[in-house]
Amino acid sequence: ILNVEQSPQSLHVQEGDSTNFTCSFPSSNFYALHWYRWETAKSPEALFVMTLNGDEKKKGRISATLNTKEGYSYLYIKGSQPEDSATYLCAFIGRAARQLTFGSGTQLTVLP
Amino acid sequence: ETGVTQSPTHLIKTRGQQVTLRCSSQSGHNTVSWYQQALGQGPQFIFQYYREEENGRGNFPPRFSGLQFPNYSSELNVNALELDDSALYLCASSLGLPGPDYEQYFGPGTRLTVT
Repeated sequence: ILNVEQSPQSLHVQEGDSTNFTCSFPSSNFYALHWYRWETAKSPEALFVMTLNGDEKKKGRISATLNTKEGYSYLYIKGSQPEDSATYLCAFIGRAARQLTFGSGTQLTVLP
Repeated sequence: ETGVTQSPTHLIKTRGQQVTLRCSSQSGHNTVSWYQQALGQGPQFIFQYYREEENGRGNFPPRFSGLQFPNYSSELNVNALELDDSALYLCASSLGLPGPDYEQYFGPGTRLTVT
């Protein structure tokens, strides 16, 4: 059974703060890592697809890094806004089985 | 909007009954995956269909079964419902098998309550 862990479980920040959270995954058999944002009452939305060790992806104020050798990825949000409030999920894809194993998510609340 | 739809939105069933949940993928997407999300957990992989064949299954019993149709729709069937089956069920479609090239597009989910 694959173990994908996310921390912290939840986070409250003030508008304008920068924040980051972690996704840990098995370092062996790595194929890809996906990040999703899931707003309440909406569908999970893909943020990043990450594949190479050292990858850094950016979309507006959100960026992510990947370390496949040690098995972790960081998601950063610069200057958080209330609309960033959501649950952020990471999903590991192994080379053998092309299926997503999700972490339990980090629930971010940005207070105005 | 991801272009993936699910029906129904909510459903209440009694223990022991059977249920069918439906998903309509984006046009051209040959892969669909189904997930169960219990409260406080991330989505748990149930199974995946690729070109209408089952292509991977998570740790779920055989009473969870599925179908994928040529018109980009799919079904999740659950027999002999148990109270623990109460959860949000998500489907997700992609152009190919998930990995470096293909992200998944999720539907809004079906909330199943078993009483």
